[in-house]
Amino acid sequence: AQSVTQLDSQVPVFEEAPVELRCNYSSSVSVYLFWYVQYPNQGLQLLLKYLSGSTLVKGINGFEAEFNKSQTSFHLRKPSVHISDTAEYFCAVERSGSARQLTFGSGTQLTVLP
Amino acid sequence: EAGVAQSPRYKIIEKRQSVAFWCNPISGHATLYWYQQILGQGPKLLIQFQNNGVVDDSQLPKDRFSAERLKGVDSTLKIQPAKLEDSAVYLCASSVWTLQETQYFGPGTRLLVL
Repeated sequence: AQSVTQLDSQVPVFEEAPVELRCNYSSSVSVYLFWYVQYPNQGLQLLLKYLSGSTLVKGINGFEAEFNKSQTSFHLRKPSVHISDTAEYFCAVERSGSARQLTFGSGTQLTVLP
Repeated sequence: EAGVAQSPRYKIIEKRQSVAFWCNPISGHATLYWYQQILGQGPKLLIQFQNNGVVDDSQLPKDRFSAERLKGVDSTLKIQPAKLEDSAVYLCASSVWTLQETQYFGPGTRLLVL
């Protein structure tokens, strides 16, 4: 079975500062990796995904993530955040070749301060 | 393209009452998922449908929860009787049944059991 650990439950950061949201996963088989964002009272929206190939993945809204197989990590980064980036961010894994089921982490609340 | 639709958006009931949630996936999406998201946690898969058949319902509390997708399109999730610990957001998602395709999430139904 897979598991996902998001190391920080809350991350406050000032506007225009860089941010990194950490995600580590555990799996005995190959996985696909995802980051989703959830704005208040809304469903989850896909930010980016890693399936194969280049380990640096670029997503929407200026976010990017890097897959590190040796460290089993998939950290999310943005060089300069905006107030509108305030939301909950979820890391998720899907066992490759599986029945398409996602296992989510517990989430990281990103709060961007003016 | 219309997204995943869910209703109602909010529901308040007393314990031991019954409740039903409805989901209409994106047109053409064969796979439909129901997730439970308890406050402060990531979404947890309850049940997965492929067309009108169940792929996985291993985490569905079958003594009180039921779900159906009779015509392979929209789906209903029911809780009867509800318990206090069922208070959560119930998310519906859909995807095309091919590898590497994204799951698209609806806005969710927020349930409060008193």
